[in-house]
Amino acid sequence: EDQVTQSPEALRLQEGESSSLNCSYTVSGLRGLFWYRQDPGKGPEFLFTLYSAGEEKEKERLKATLTKKESFLHITAPKPEDSATYLCAVGIGNQFYFGTGTSLTVIP
Amino acid sequence: NAGVTQTPKFQVLKTGQSMTLQCAQDMNHEYMSWYRQDPGMGLRLIHYSVGAGITDQGEVPNGYNVSRSTTEDFPLRLLSAAPSQTSVYFCASEAGGTGEYEQYFGPGTRLTVT
Repeated sequence: EDQVTQSPEALRLQEGESSSLNCSYTVSGLRGLFWYRQDPGKGPEFLFTLYSAGEEKEKERLKATLTKKESFLHITAPKPEDSATYLCAVGIGNQFYFGTGTSLTVIP
Repeated sequence: NAGVTQTPKFQVLKTGQSMTLQCAQDMNHEYMSWYRQDPGMGLRLIHYSVGAGITDQGEVPNGYNVSRSTTEDFPLRLLSAAPSQTSVYFCASEAGGTGEYEQYFGPGTRLTVT
């Protein structure tokens, strides 16, 4: 039973071309919805935590939003250095469940 | 602060061998966890600990043991390695309590079992 689903699996953007990544979840008792960035050969790096529907958080060109069933990671005017895999996770109690990620490539 | 450190970075084992993956953090975090990452599967929680002396199973605990004798260290033991345990292993820590629940991940250990 999939609890966290991310789409698309891969996304190629031209530099400056804004887009959104999706994370949908089917859990109850959500402790938090988390976004991470992972570069090849490295561990995930924390980006955001969202706790309740309607919440939004921003960091540079990234903005994360949360509804009752999904979260979006909006990337505005991306640069090549934004290329990475973006992971979404949900926290339930003391456990975390990750999606399989969206691989983002930004072409100069 | 070194953050979360893991050793070794790479390891090759033969089927049936045992080994311990080391994880340490210097942030005085109460919560520590181990994940494995496989292509197409995402990160899956193996075991976690909410403090020294307390451990619990995650999503995929079979074939792995953990202990937490200090706040800083959380080793993962493979009892009898199997090819299905070929994976990249990540350790993470989190402050726990109130806060962002931000997990800090180590650089990973790439394990191959032949």
